[in-house]
Amino acid sequence: DQQVKQNSPSLSVQEGRISILNCDYTNSMFDYFLWYKKYPAEGPTFLISISSIKDKNEDGRFTVFLNKSAKHLSLHIVPSQPGDSAVYFCAASARRKAGKSTFGDGTTLTVKP
Amino acid sequence: DAGVIQSPRHEVTEMGQEVTLRCKPISGHDYLFWYRQTMMRGLELLIYFNNNVPIDDSGMPEDRFSAKMPNASFSTLKIQPSEPRDSAVYFCASSFGTSGVSTDTQYFGPGTRLTVL
Repeated sequence: DQQVKQNSPSLSVQEGRISILNCDYTNSMFDYFLWYKKYPAEGPTFLISISSIKDKNEDGRFTVFLNKSAKHLSLHIVPSQPGDSAVYFCAASARRKAGKSTFGDGTTLTVKP
Repeated sequence: DAGVIQSPRHEVTEMGQEVTLRCKPISGHDYLFWYRQTMMRGLELLIYFNNNVPIDDSGMPEDRFSAKMPNASFSTLKIQPSEPRDSAVYFCASSFGTSGVSTDTQYFGPGTRLTVL
């Protein structure tokens, strides 16, 4: 049973446009959500997070939206840049179960110049 | 800070051989995680430690896999005997927690690409 799902394996957008990456989860115990970015031959790096007490968190060009009733979150990148081309992983954790995060399968974003 | 250090970066071995992957977490971090990434299964958590103690090893696929953390600055993941289906990229990650609650942000090493022939 996959508790965190990223249904789009890939996404391609034009430079300067908005990229929207989606993530769905099934476990209602999850109360903290993170996005990681991964370049080839490197480990994932933390990008942005959101607690379940919020519905939006913004950091520069990156904004994460959380819809708890739909168990859905999304990552918006605007404007998209070619350097944003990477694999993006959504992750979720239940704070009461300290330490453990469950990852989605990732979405490969390609930003075309 | 050097970040999470993993060695080797690449390992090619033959089926049946023992493989040992190594990880040095970020100094001061008290959580350490081992993940495996494959095309078929994505990023899987194998095991994680808190203060050198294994907390959850439910992701370890078989008894052929074992992990140890003898001290706060070193962990190993061992596969014995290795099989071709173990071929994957293995990541180590660490994080910092307070009073047993992780901050959730994990810092990943560059990974070890394992190929079992």
